[in-house]
Amino acid sequence: GQQVMQIPQYQHVQEGEDFTTYCNSSTTLSNIQWYKQRPGGHPVFLIQLVKSGEVKKQKRLTFQFGEAKKNSSLHITATQTTDVGTYFCAGYYAGGTSYGKLTFGQGTILTVHP
Amino acid sequence: GAGVSQTPSNKVTEKGKYVELRCDPISGHTALYWYRQSLGQGPEFLIYFQGTGAADDSGLPNDRFFAVRPEGSVSTLKIQRTERGDSAVYLCASSWSGASHEQFFGPGTRLTVL
Repeated sequence: GQQVMQIPQYQHVQEGEDFTTYCNSSTTLSNIQWYKQRPGGHPVFLIQLVKSGEVKKQKRLTFQFGEAKKNSSLHITATQTTDVGTYFCAGYYAGGTSYGKLTFGQGTILTVHP
Repeated sequence: GAGVSQTPSNKVTEKGKYVELRCDPISGHTALYWYRQSLGQGPEFLIYFQGTGAADDSGLPNDRFFAVRPEGSVSTLKIQRTERGDSAVYLCASSWSGASHEQFFGPGTRLTVL
């Protein structure tokens, strides 16, 4: 079945450093979504990418979708302590038996040291 | 209006018992999802409802798990003969339509099977 792999599993940075997490799918995605989960909280939607090669920015966050629609990345510039949490990518595969299903990666746990 | 709500927030039960977990989606959302999240893992898809019907139940691990959404709003996840391995946080999410749309997660129910 479809799998979404995410690396790294953990990332520890000093406040002000950059952070990147990568997501790879075994098969072509229809779209990819990114979620953030704060410690003790629930996943909160950040963004959705649909088009091949798409790049979207939200303040210090930059999201990219690969040309083949099999990989994606989230880059945070100049991290702040408020960025702490787990970042998940979630792939949507249209058609077949996977209709309606989001497949989540394992997540990257970001720790920011002040 | 209000976000997705889930009750109870915590449930402790004994091995072999039956449990019901409830989800109240955002009003007007036709799609409803159940996920299971173990510590250090991403949400694992269980079942997806579009309206009253289960459009995709491929993630239910076995026939001890069952979910209903009789009126197309509130959903109940039912687990029979609980096992210690069922211990996890059960997350519910809703969206306007299918998984191609942003999903709004509830706070989850932490299930502990002793």
